[in-house]
Amino acid sequence: GAGVSQTPSNKVTEKGKYVELRCDPISGHTALYWYRQSLGQGPEFLIYFQGTGAADDSGLPNDRFFAVRPEGSVSTLKIQRTERGDSAVYLCASSLSEGDKNEQYFGPGTRLTVT
Amino acid sequence: DAKTTQPNSMESNEEEPVHLPCNHSTISGTDYIHWYRQLPSQGPEYVIHGLTSNVNNRMASLAIAEDRKSSTLILHRATLRDAAVYYCILRRYTGGFKTIFGAGTRLFVKA
Repeated sequence: GAGVSQTPSNKVTEKGKYVELRCDPISGHTALYWYRQSLGQGPEFLIYFQGTGAADDSGLPNDRFFAVRPEGSVSTLKIQRTERGDSAVYLCASSLSEGDKNEQYFGPGTRLTVT
Repeated sequence: DAKTTQPNSMESNEEEPVHLPCNHSTISGTDYIHWYRQLPSQGPEYVIHGLTSNVNNRMASLAIAEDRKSSTLILHRATLRDAAVYYCILRRYTGGFKTIFGAGTRLFVKA
């Protein structure tokens, strides 16, 4: 079946602009996670959703970052007033439900470059 | 957040077994040990997880120390396709199950 998909695969934007990154999880997966990964580092947790609600947003670096999942499926990560330091690969993952055993399935990521 | 410690890199020869170590001395009784790997230019991929007993699946084996303060991911016969960064992660409920990745171990496989 289809895996986690993310669009766009690459996004180049100018400093100060607004961007939206989309994640389509595996159908039926109730838990959805966002991470970002800088070169040479492991993924950094940003936020996760259980259904429509953000169960833990403690990883969002500041109030320029916001994520939604209005119908409990597709999620959008929104970044306002982008800065060069926001350049990274943004990864989305989903799992069947939230639980300490459930494996996460990752998408290929969106590479964001802020110039 | 529970911390894990892994070597920065390891090297293996193709067709030989690989033992990737992970230390997690602050593990609590309810923490599950998860391993993921990330191939170049891809998102991480689940490998295996366990709680107390050793685990085997089609990809690898997970050996967990009796005191659970360390674990070892075992690839029985390394192939060139196994060259990746391997992450050892503890998943703990702290109001949620966020997953905290460390820097991982980069595995190089020589033909």
